[in-house]
Amino acid sequence: AQSVTQLDSQVPVFEEAPVELRCNYSSSVSVYLFWYVQYPNQGLQLLLKYLSGSTLVKGINGFEAEFNKSQTSFHLRKPSVHISDTAEYFCAVSDPGTYKYIFGTGTRLKVLA
Amino acid sequence: DVKVTQSSRYLVKRTGEKVFLECVQDMDHENMFWYRQDPGLGLRLIYFSYDVKMKEKGDIPEGYSVSREKKERFSLILESASTNQTSMYLCASDLSGTVFFGPGTRLTVT
Repeated sequence: AQSVTQLDSQVPVFEEAPVELRCNYSSSVSVYLFWYVQYPNQGLQLLLKYLSGSTLVKGINGFEAEFNKSQTSFHLRKPSVHISDTAEYFCAVSDPGTYKYIFGTGTRLKVLA
Repeated sequence: DVKVTQSSRYLVKRTGEKVFLECVQDMDHENMFWYRQDPGLGLRLIYFSYDVKMKEKGDIPEGYSVSREKKERFSLILESASTNQTSMYLCASDLSGTVFFGPGTRLTVT
């Protein structure tokens, strides 16, 4: 069965600094990969997704992620964060053609002034 | 834009009460989901439905049931609420491999 690991439960970073949030998934022939953001007391909002094609995926709010099949990773990056990026970020994986989405335990990004 | 709405943002119920959480999506999606979100545990799938009247258990179905009588509506039922069901409940629907979430219902069982 698929699994997703987000090793960092919390990541503090200063405003305008770069950030990388890590996500690893268990091996599979093919996968769909997602990053979601959750602001306080809200549902999850899709940041970006990888279904096929280019391994570098650009999303909303200046975020991007790179699919690395050999390392089974899908790390999320932003070159310069803002205070408003403070939120919880979830990585998710699904097997194409299935209904099941597996979510990681989340990473709390705290952007400091 | 896809819209997934949940009937309540906050709900407080007593132990033993029957609780209904309602979810509606407006994009004719076939797949709908109920997740439970708890700190440090991420999102865990309770039930999902792939068509009207069709449902499958997720990872933590115990203590819950669901109903899908119409395509746009997916209800989660707690037959007899218990304190360990205090949590954030997220409804979602799926289109072309992407999940869209509602705003969540924060349920407290006292």
